[in-house]
Amino acid sequence: DGGITQSPKYLFRKEGQNVTLSCEQNLNHDAMYWYRQDPGQGLRLIYYSQIVNDFQKGDIAEGYSVSREKKESFPLTVTSAQKNPTAFYLCASKGPVTGGENYGYTFGSGTRLTVV
Amino acid sequence: RKEVEQDPGPFNVPEGATVAFNCTYSNSASQSFFWYRQDCRKEPKLLMSVYSSGNEDGRFTAQLNRASQYISLLIRDSKLSDSATYLCVVSRGGTASKLTFGTGTRLQVTL
Repeated sequence: DGGITQSPKYLFRKEGQNVTLSCEQNLNHDAMYWYRQDPGQGLRLIYYSQIVNDFQKGDIAEGYSVSREKKESFPLTVTSAQKNPTAFYLCASKGPVTGGENYGYTFGSGTRLTVV
Repeated sequence: RKEVEQDPGPFNVPEGATVAFNCTYSNSASQSFFWYRQDCRKEPKLLMSVYSSGNEDGRFTAQLNRASQYISLLIRDSKLSDSATYLCVVSRGGTASKLTFGTGTRLQVTL
């Protein structure tokens, strides 16, 4: 079955450490996205990529970096420059839904990052 | 003003009740509209797309009013399993555009 896989499910980061969150999809979607969700808040866009070897900053890109070397993969690195990284991170890809009229997101199951 | 606005709730309703959520969006260029459902500590999942003519999927009915720039979701005969946060989502449409999410409306269905 096609889908998006995020790993790890839980991640603990020490102060000053960089960590990388994995996101892999086998849906053959071109566009992929990273969102952050804080408790009781909506999703905020970090980075997105519409095609291999290209990506753009979202609304809250500071302290994060991404790469898109393969269509299937869009890893997110949370750097030490991100001062408040504790959050739920969601990766999504975009493709046709419900008969192909609209393009919606399919999400991975998320990674919970905690700074310790 | 937020691009997509929703009443955060919570809406507490008894099982079997009918409940409606509204959502307003500010970008008149928006072309695609969705409702997503998010369970506690889980990822959002597509509930249904919203079409101009309105559409129904079982107990769920979605409506779009482009003139007033609002979207609604009606849930009939609420079940305990409907308890979740419902996210209103809009997009300019097509393969290249981003989706913009509302902060969600929380529904709690009780016995």
